[in-house]
Amino acid sequence: GAGVSQSPSNKVTEKGKDVELRCDPISGHTALYWYRQSLGQGLEFLIYFQGNSAPDKSGLPSDRFSAERTGGSVSTLTIQRTQQEDSAVYLCASSTNRDQPQHFGDGTRLSIL
Amino acid sequence: QKEVEQNSGPLSVPEGAIASLNCTYSDRGSQSFFWYRQYSGKSPELIMFIYSNGDKEDGRFTAQLNKASQYVSLLIRDSQPSDSATYLCAVVKGGGADGLTFGKGTHLIIQP
Repeated sequence: GAGVSQSPSNKVTEKGKDVELRCDPISGHTALYWYRQSLGQGLEFLIYFQGNSAPDKSGLPSDRFSAERTGGSVSTLTIQRTQQEDSAVYLCASSTNRDQPQHFGDGTRLSIL
Repeated sequence: QKEVEQNSGPLSVPEGAIASLNCTYSDRGSQSFFWYRQYSGKSPELIMFIYSNGDKEDGRFTAQLNKASQYVSLLIRDSQPSDSATYLCAVVKGGGADGLTFGKGTHLIIQP
């Protein structure tokens, strides 16, 4: 497809389980970003990849969160030992470089029971 | 001081009028500025971006940037009910290695 693709669109899981979220950016976009939006809250930046590298991981909320990107394309965000406060919409975006407009996927709505 | 500030609204504007949305930012090194529209339950959609001082027009939308005052605005002319949404101001801060820093958004209501 032409846009940013995220999967799954919805994920419901029990507290303590691990979850993996996937993002497939727009073809040719070297920059990829993960954000989180909690109910009624603003967008919170999590991590930025330029190619396969993440220059700064300090935006990740805790060490239960990790992300990787391989082949300069698909990225996965993994949350280990999920907690109820992890419930949010996780959004992925991509752009040609950091200063250029970012285009968002439809997000993954994560619910922790 | 918040990094990107917007009035949360709601801002109510009659159909056909001009809607004016404002945003201030704290990082003087910021170089790139964006406006996104977000409908309830949907992801943000890019509306405008601006890099230089002055005005930038695209259809019914005009973005205005004043770096000296650290101020960016979005004007929507001939407002339509379909423009009712939350408008998010976002900046790329100078230096660093992070993504967009977003304001909380302004909820705009266009009254038919």
